[in-house]
Amino acid sequence: DVKVTQSSRYLVKRTGEKVFLECVQDMDHENMFWYRQDPGLGLRLIYFSYDVKMKEKGDIPEGYSVSREKKERFSLILESASTNQTSMYLCASSFVGSVSYEQYFGPGTRLTVT
Amino acid sequence: SQQGEEDPQALSIQEGENATMNCSYKTSINNLQWYRQNSGRGLVHLILIRSNEREKHSGRLRVTLDTSKKSSSLLITASRAADTASYFCATAPWIMGANSKLTFGKGITLSVRP
Repeated sequence: DVKVTQSSRYLVKRTGEKVFLECVQDMDHENMFWYRQDPGLGLRLIYFSYDVKMKEKGDIPEGYSVSREKKERFSLILESASTNQTSMYLCASSFVGSVSYEQYFGPGTRLTVT
Repeated sequence: SQQGEEDPQALSIQEGENATMNCSYKTSINNLQWYRQNSGRGLVHLILIRSNEREKHSGRLRVTLDTSKKSSSLLITASRAADTASYFCATAPWIMGANSKLTFGKGITLSVRP
């Protein structure tokens, strides 16, 4: 069964801290995505990766970076966390060979920056 | 940038009634997908309709697509309290490549009253 896992369900960090959010998929998918979700704003794409070591900026990349050293793992990094990065973060993956580009989501990480 | 726009933003119905949700989009698409998100969780894929299809069924779900109007509707028949969730439409671009991605709408909150 398809599975996307995220390292934490809930995370509380202080302003200025460096924060790592990890995502792992076990489906050998080429594409992986990081979104943030805020009330009234829907899902906004932060970064995505279509291959190991490849990445592209999404709609709101400012304040974030990503790392993909292995196919199954995609990390989102907040270099210096700020309170406006308090949000729900969702990771997803998809198979390039699929004609649908259906995405499989992890359970989400609710990050609070104080 | 948001391609899909769902309507209404929120819907409240009685158990047993049908729920109809609409999605409009702006550019040509390869396919349109509907996802469900239970509170505080990740998104789950429900159903996909391709641009050359007009209607599709899956259990109590019926989705239609009108490419001339650039719109889709999702019908949930005989709703249950467990259908309470947020529903998102997502569009795949007409020309799909390795770095293609879905574009999600802001979502519709459905509440089904027991």
